[in-house]
Amino acid sequence: AQSVSQHNHHVILSEAASLELGCNYSYGGTVNLFWYVQYPGQHLQLLLKYFSGDPLVKGIKGFEAEFIKSKFSFNLRKPSVQWSDTAEYFCAVVGVTSGNTGKLIFGQGTTLQVKP
Amino acid sequence: EAGVVQSPRYKIIEKKQPVAFWCNPISGHNTLYWYLQNLGQGPELLIRYENEEAVDDSQLPKDRFSAERLKGVDSTLKIQPAELGDSAVYLCASSPRSGRVYNEQFFGPGTRLTVL
Repeated sequence: AQSVSQHNHHVILSEAASLELGCNYSYGGTVNLFWYVQYPGQHLQLLLKYFSGDPLVKGIKGFEAEFIKSKFSFNLRKPSVQWSDTAEYFCAVVGVTSGNTGKLIFGQGTTLQVKP
Repeated sequence: EAGVVQSPRYKIIEKKQPVAFWCNPISGHNTLYWYLQNLGQGPELLIRYENEEAVDDSQLPKDRFSAERLKGVDSTLKIQPAELGDSAVYLCASSPRSGRVYNEQFFGPGTRLTVL
């Protein structure tokens, strides 16, 4: 069965610090990968996605993620965080090989707190 | 473009009572999803609709949960009777089309259910 693991439940950083949130998945076939973000009081929204091609993908607000197929990883990065990046971040995976139901599997989420 | 609309935003009921949640997806989106999100966890799929057809309801507890999507637009998720363990956020999402190429899902604000 597919699963997604996010390495950190709670991350606290000061403004301007660099961010890397880990995400590993288990699935043997081709996958599409996503990072979603949920700001306080708001709904889930897409931060970035990987379908194919360049494994380094750029999203909104200066975020990027790198797909490393050999490590089954899709880590999220930002060189310099801002207080407004305080939110909960979810990694999600869907298998896209033949016969897959297209079910999106989410990690448990990482709460990022950025101190001003 | 209007987003996914859900109502109510909050619901408090006593155990054994029925409850219903309503979702209006983004116009033109024929795929609709209901998710359950427990505190500190990522969303988990309950049911996925392609137009009017429920194509994946394997995670829906059918003894007490039911869902419908009449005319392939709005959808209702019902719990009867509710149990204490049903306290969670119920999310609705929609995406433009189905198929092997997986599309971004757009999420609504969710309904926070508290069962006393």
